[in-house]
Amino acid sequence: AQTVTQSQPEMSVQEAETVTLSCTYDTSESDYYLFWYKQPPSRQMILVIRQEAYKQQNATENRFSVNFQKAAKSFSLKISDSQLGDAAMYFCAYRMYSGGGADGLTFGKGTHLIIQP
Amino acid sequence: DTGVSQNPRHKITKRGQNVTFRCDPISEHNRLYWYRQTLGQGPEFLTYFQNEAQLEKSRLLSDRFSAERPKGSFSTLEIQRTEQGDSAMYLCASSLSGGMGETQYFGPGTRLLVL
Repeated sequence: AQTVTQSQPEMSVQEAETVTLSCTYDTSESDYYLFWYKQPPSRQMILVIRQEAYKQQNATENRFSVNFQKAAKSFSLKISDSQLGDAAMYFCAYRMYSGGGADGLTFGKGTHLIIQP
Repeated sequence: DTGVSQNPRHKITKRGQNVTFRCDPISEHNRLYWYRQTLGQGPEFLTYFQNEAQLEKSRLLSDRFSAERPKGSFSTLEIQRTEQGDSAMYLCASSLSGGMGETQYFGPGTRLLVL
């Protein structure tokens, strides 16, 4: 079974600084998707960034970028120029690419990101 | 394009009662997922529909849980004879097959408290 591990229960960063959230996963599959989701307090989960395992290029979305190391099974999220609105729980998630793409997501336990003004 | 909606947003019930939650996916999405999230944890997959067919169920989904998606539109999740351990946030997500890396879009969730 696939597992996702987020080893940082909580991280704190000064506004405008850069922070990196860690994620490792365990799988025997070669094709899969990885995601970072953000869950603000009492608000719904939203997608931050997505990475296809077959792509060597790291995904970027504005201030958000990932460092995807397939051999090491590592998928970290870098947030540049941190803003107060970035404060949230961040979840790393994995989904096997099964052709039909039907499998549910496997989530880590999350990292609580605090932004210090 | 409205997002995924869930009703009710909050539900308090007594142990032993039955509860039903509803999820309305994004209109063109043919896939619908249910997850459960307990405090301090990431969501855990419960079950999945493609159109009206329930194709996958987690072993977390005990016999007291049943989900339906009639006509491939909205879905309901029913919990019979609720237990205190069922207290959690129940999340619904939807996706479009073959689209955007099968990204799942989540609703706001239904928070269940069993007394």
